[in-house]
Amino acid sequence: GQNIDQPTEMTATEGAIVQINCTYQTSGFNGLFWYQQHAGEAPTFLSYNVLDGLEEKGRFSSFLSRSKGYSYLLLKELQMKDSASYLCAVRDRNTDKLIFGTGTRLQVFP
Amino acid sequence: ETGVTQTPRHLVMGMTNKKSLKCEQHLGHNAMYWYKQSAKKPLELMFVYSLEERVENNSVPSRFSPECPNSSHLFLHLHTLQPEDSALYLCASSQDQGLSGANVLTFGAGSRLTVL
Repeated sequence: GQNIDQPTEMTATEGAIVQINCTYQTSGFNGLFWYQQHAGEAPTFLSYNVLDGLEEKGRFSSFLSRSKGYSYLLLKELQMKDSASYLCAVRDRNTDKLIFGTGTRLQVFP
Repeated sequence: ETGVTQTPRHLVMGMTNKKSLKCEQHLGHNAMYWYKQSAKKPLELMFVYSLEERVENNSVPSRFSPECPNSSHLFLHLHTLQPEDSALYLCASSQDQGLSGANVLTFGAGSRLTVL
């Protein structure tokens, strides 16, 4: 079957580093996405990984290990505006569907 | 305007009402989607349209009726809804409906629906 797990909530301090984990099970993996969603706003695309390794984009990085069914989103130099929900989503090759996790709500405190 | 625009942003309706949600994309994309987002649940795909043709109906009850008159507009017609249908309804678009890695979804801000 298909399943995506990520923590429900996390807290961190401004200026710190936080890692949001995502584990998945799918019959045919074809890419993993991270989206950011501020309360009352549209989810916005952050990153896409299809090969193993780390993709860095400014303060945000995303890592993928296909053999472990595991990804993480790393946020550095946290800012208050990073308080949001972070959605992990996996594209299933067999169904061509994007399967979302429940999202991780991150709160950044001063 | 740019991106994906949804109206209304908030809607309260009774179980016997008929209402519609509207989505418009200004990105020149060929595929449009309706998702349902409920508290503490994953985003659920409801419908997919590609080049104005419905290509996916994800076992959605008939009280939800989509319409895609052209590649820029998508509607979700609502009729005799239940309180459990209260949720955030998100519209999204993508360049194409396919497996390409570059096929990123662009979401609208959603329509918050409350069914009394």
